[in-house]
Amino acid sequence: GQNIDQPTEMTATEGAIVQINCTYQTSGFNGLFWYQQHAGEAPTFLSYNVLDGLEEKGRFSSFLSRSKGYSYLLLKELQMKDSASYLCAVEGSARQLTFGSGTQLTVLP
Amino acid sequence: DAMVIQNPRYQVTQFGKPVTLSCSQTLNHNVMYWYQQKSSQAPKLLFHYYDKDFNNEADTPDNFQSRRPNTSFCFLDIRSPGLGDAAMYLCATSSEGLAVNNEQFFGPGTRLTVL
Repeated sequence: GQNIDQPTEMTATEGAIVQINCTYQTSGFNGLFWYQQHAGEAPTFLSYNVLDGLEEKGRFSSFLSRSKGYSYLLLKELQMKDSASYLCAVEGSARQLTFGSGTQLTVLP
Repeated sequence: DAMVIQNPRYQVTQFGKPVTLSCSQTLNHNVMYWYQQKSSQAPKLLFHYYDKDFNNEADTPDNFQSRRPNTSFCFLDIRSPGLGDAAMYLCATSSEGLAVNNEQFFGPGTRLTVL
């Protein structure tokens, strides 16, 4: 079976750094994705990890530890527009992407 | 710009009245997906096409069907919508074998209301 856990909600202040954690138990592993989804809109791709370690992309970084079934998304220099749901998704086998329920991030001024 | 297009963005239907949602893509991707997403929940994969090969998820109700007449278009047919089928329906594409990762590109979604 597939199980992906992430916190339901987080709050942070504009300009701060926030880390959103994701743990997973899946029957296979072909990679882990982070997507951003604003209310009423489609998910948009943020990052992809398939090997252990940190992937950095501007203000966003994502980390993966396959042995621990753990990933985090790090958002730096938070902006108001970063308020959104952040979805962790695991590709357990080819073309089978399982999403977590998302972490609703609220950025306060 | 290459993109994934879904029409309509909002669809209202009546209980039991068949409805079709459409998706088209200009990315020339070989894989197309349909997800159902209810409020504050994760997108749930209903089925996907790998080229012309249809792959149904085990727990997708028989009420949901799909067609892919060509590479660019994919349709979701709901034969007898129930109140529980009200949701956002997301279409996505990916280019398996052609990209470093199998990133999925999502359309804007169709929000279905069942009266």
